[in-house]
Amino acid sequence: GQSLEQPSEVTAVEGAIVQINCTYQTSGFYGLSWYQQHDGGAPTFLSYNALDGLEETGRFSSFLSRSDSYGYLLLQELQMKDSASYFCAVRPSGAGSYQLTFGKGTKLSVIP
Amino acid sequence: NAGVTQTPKFRILKIGQSMTLQCTQDMNHNYMYWYRQDPGMGLKLIYYSVGAGITDKGEVPNGYNVSRSTTEDFPLRLELAAPSQTSVYFCASGSQGASYEQYFGPGTRLTVT
Repeated sequence: GQSLEQPSEVTAVEGAIVQINCTYQTSGFYGLSWYQQHDGGAPTFLSYNALDGLEETGRFSSFLSRSDSYGYLLLQELQMKDSASYFCAVRPSGAGSYQLTFGKGTKLSVIP
Repeated sequence: NAGVTQTPKFRILKIGQSMTLQCTQDMNHNYMYWYRQDPGMGLKLIYYSVGAGITDKGEVPNGYNVSRSTTEDFPLRLELAAPSQTSVYFCASGSQGASYEQYFGPGTRLTVT
């Protein structure tokens, strides 16, 4: 099976950088995804790491280290609109490869 | 493209009633999913489908049923609603080979009283 751990809440200042960590236990997986969800809204896809290392998409970057069973989402130049919940998710290898298993999410609050 | 659409947006059910949550996607995706999200929690997979006529159980299938007669539609049926089924339900779709990137509908907020 798979389990993912994320901090429940993070607070950061507008314009700053914040890192949201995700540690996982899994018997095997293809990659790690990140999703953003604003209050009352639907999750939207942010990024995917199939390989170890850093993937950059504008102000957002995501990192994966399989040897450390660890990944993170890095948000730079924080804006008020970045206040949302962020979920990591693994795509397991083998029979469950069509699915994603989600963490419980990290609620990010950006303050002025 | 409308993407993934869900109806209704809100619904209140009495215990023991039944209903169908509708989900339609216009992106020609093979894969479709139903999740539930309880307050402050992540998404739990109820059922999924990898193509028309093929469905399989996810993590929390009890109390639900699905069908997939077309590529576009993936309705979720609740039989004998219980208070434990009070939740927000999201439908999602994804393309074959890229199931790590799923597209979500706006959700249905269901209350069972």
